[in-house]
Amino acid sequence: DGGITQSPKYLFRKEGQNVTLSCEQNLNHDAMYWYRQDPGQGLRLIYYSQIVNDFQKGDIAEGYSVSREKKESFPLTVTSAQKNPTAFYLCASSIDLAAEAFFGQGTRLTVV
Amino acid sequence: EDQVTQSPEALRLQEGESSSLNCSYTVSGLRGLFWYRQDPGKGPEFLFTLYSAGEEKEKERLKATLTKKESFLHITAPKPEDSATYLCAVLSYGNKLVFGAGTILRVKS
Repeated sequence: DGGITQSPKYLFRKEGQNVTLSCEQNLNHDAMYWYRQDPGQGLRLIYYSQIVNDFQKGDIAEGYSVSREKKESFPLTVTSAQKNPTAFYLCASSIDLAAEAFFGQGTRLTVV
Repeated sequence: EDQVTQSPEALRLQEGESSSLNCSYTVSGLRGLFWYRQDPGKGPEFLFTLYSAGEEKEKERLKATLTKKESFLHITAPKPEDSATYLCAVLSYGNKLVFGAGTILRVKS
């Protein structure tokens, strides 16, 4: 089955630690995205990538980093510089930036 | 600045009671408007794309419509399994996608 796989589903991090969230897609999509979702707010864009080896900052990129070395993979690192990292993180992909995006099942990150 | 506002924030319906969700937007050139359904703890599920005013799309009990300023998601004779958060997102010609905060729908049997 084609789809987007995010792992892990739940992640706990101590303050001051970096953590990496995984996102893999087998839809052959060029574009990939990372969003953050907080209660009562719309999805906010962290980073997006239009093509392999290229990525752009979204609206809330501070404290996050990404890489796009393979078409299928777009990992997100939440660094210790992110002041409020506890949230639900969603990865998505689309054929291109103008097409509808399809989402993974999310990773819930909690800082303890 | 591109903005998307969804109303109401929450809606409770009885099974079979039809209603509409609203998504109003201001954007510098609409390239597309998307509707998604999101269940608790899950990622959004794509429902519809609308591209131009007057366009309509249907899927089972759901029908999405688009005007120059807003979109409606009409739910006809809803069932409890239609309970979810419904998200609207608009894409501008700058390829910027902006999401609304969503409408939480609860359908009671």
